[in-house]
Order: sequence, then structure tokens, then C-alpha cells
Amino acid sequence: SSELTQDPDVSVALGQTVRITCQGDSLRIHYASWYQQKPGQAPVLVMYGKNNRPSGIPDRFSGSNSGNTASLTITGAQADDEADYYCDSRDTDGDHLVFGGGTKLTVL
Amino acid sequence: EVRLVESGGGLVQPGGSLRLSCSASGFTFSNYALTWVRQAPGKGLEWVSSISSSGGRTYYADTVKGRFTSSRDDFTNTLYLQMKSLRVEDTATYYCAKQVVTVGVTGQFDYWGQGTLVTVSA
Repeated sequence: SSELTQDPDVSVALGQTVRITCQGDSLRIHYASWYQQKPGQAPVLVMYGKNNRPSGIPDRFSGSNSGNTASLTITGAQADDEADYYCDSRDTDGDHLVFGGGTKLTVL
Repeated sequence: EVRLVESGGGLVQPGGSLRLSCSASGFTFSNYALTWVRQAPGKGLEWVSSISSSGGRTYYADTVKGRFTSSRDDFTNTLYLQMKSLRVEDTATYYCAKQVVTVGVTGQFDYWGQGTLVTVSA
């Protein structure tokens, strides 16, 4: 089965732009979804498909895809964005789902 | 309002069994594939199993295949995960999740339950 690789730790200064990436062979075929998870809480979907943002998610969150890499960009990061971020996608065989290992975002 | 509420977690000995339930409301249950995702303490998310909207197809991670069984009851709007031959490494919070689209098994989980903790320990 495929794997999705994320940087374990990323930091950004308050108000600046940060990109969180997710790499894997399955992303050449399938779009990634992105989830935000804060301590003690269930994950929240923040981006899915080509560049779809669920209702209630601020427009400072955007997504992009290139080759085997999906990216989640936060433009003007806020303190409230400090969280763990996970990507997922269908596996290359289509019968499994796979999550990335997660990225801990620190807003300085 | 969409709600997913898991139950059935607890402490079980290695080799034991447990059945988790996920009670759903606020959407047309029978139209959507549903999924179990788990998270070991301090670790990342791991996909466990998905079941198609009809219940006719089920999918499992290699780590649980042959030990876990997903099922659904569209009359009571309940998703189940029957777990047997439990191992210490199955210790995790188990979430049920609904996906955005009705067709296929895609990920893209727009609603999650609050999770139920399963602890496998002697």
C-alpha cells in the first residue's frame, strides 16, 4: 500500500504564510484531503478535492496539487491555526485509504 | 445537525473482543459510506475500515484485516465495528466518520464523532 509523507514540525510567524506538504504516489491519481486537529478534539476537515473548503473554514486556507505533492497553504496564519494537520487520500489501488503522519504547526 | 456518537470502548485483555457502535443522525444515513479511523495515544490518525453505502462492500487496513468487521444497520442508523483477537497495539481512540460525497469510498470526512477509547492491556 502507498504512504503519505509529511514534515513532522513546521513553524510560522503570526500573520505570515505557511505551506504544509504531503507527498505520495497516490497523489498522482487522487486528491488529498486535509484535517486540522487540536489537542483533545476530533479532526476537522479544512480542505478537500481540487481546492474545496468546507463551510465555516476561513478563506486563508487553500490547497494545491502538483505531481505527487499536495499542499495546504495558510495565508496570514493566526494563533488559532496552531494544531496538528493531517492529509489523507485513497490508496493507489483505490480500496484503501491512507493518512499522512501529520504535521505539528506552531504559530510563533 | 449531523451527529456521530461512538460508544462501546473500554478496557479489554489481549485476545479479547469488543464491539463499537456509532449512532448517526442529521443526514440520510443509507446514502453514505462510513469509516472508522483510530488514533493511538500521542500518535497520528490511522484508517481502519470503511463500509459502502449499501453495506455490500467493506474495506480494511492490513493491520486489522481478518480480526475486525464493519457492518451497518440502516434501520437504526448505526455503524458497528466488531473487533476480535485484540492486541496491545490496537489501543487507540476510535472515531467514526462520514464523508462529503455519497459515491464510493473517498476519504474527505466532513463529520467525525468524538471518539471512544479502546485500551487493550493485561
